[in-house]
Amino acid sequence: DTAVSQTPKYLVTQMGNDKSIKCEQNLGHDTMYWYKQDSKKFLKIMFSYNNKELIINETVPNRFSPKSPDKAHLNLHINSLELGDSAVYFCASTPGSGVATNEKLFFGSGTQLSVL
Amino acid sequence: AQSVAQPEDQVNVAEGNPLTVKCTYSVSGNPYLFWYVQYPNRGLQFLLKYITGDNLVKGSYGFEAEFNKSQTSFHLKKPSALVSDSALYFCAVRPNFNKFYFGSGTKLNVKP
Repeated sequence: DTAVSQTPKYLVTQMGNDKSIKCEQNLGHDTMYWYKQDSKKFLKIMFSYNNKELIINETVPNRFSPKSPDKAHLNLHINSLELGDSAVYFCASTPGSGVATNEKLFFGSGTQLSVL
Repeated sequence: AQSVAQPEDQVNVAEGNPLTVKCTYSVSGNPYLFWYVQYPNRGLQFLLKYITGDNLVKGSYGFEAEFNKSQTSFHLKKPSALVSDSALYFCAVRPNFNKFYFGSGTKLNVKP
């Protein structure tokens, strides 16, 4: 069974469209994340949720809206897609919440978003 | 400000030779340090972490890393490289509040 799964794996769309990426983890973790990896492979955190509550919101355009219906799911909705949104988006999860822990991140396999 | 630096974009090594991938960090307090590996079209996979204790940490696939507090470094090492080790390697630090800071990644090329 896949621990952290994201769908779709590939997403090709036109500028201005709205799209969603879904993420689910079956590890029982409390905290989930969205990371963006650009064309230079640089990884940047976007959001983090702990038990459905937003705890990290980096300087991300408000066209990006995360939603966590329960602690096992964290979806990412993107409105009015722009060329610069093209990247690989990774979902990740970790146990623990709120304070420093030594637990590692578990990553999904990524969603490659191409905006044309 | 918290940051992680991987000074080399690419490291080339011959199979069977030792390898080192460098990482330095700048964080407040005592951080937790991690190494991850990314194979093409895959998510990042955990290799090893330093929390406390022995400065030499052993991880998956024969990799190890040495924590040096005075130099604020956490270099990844392997005594004998394999072609299958070729991948992208990320150093990360976790200072607090569930936020991981990643380095820019180092591409390791191991040639037969």
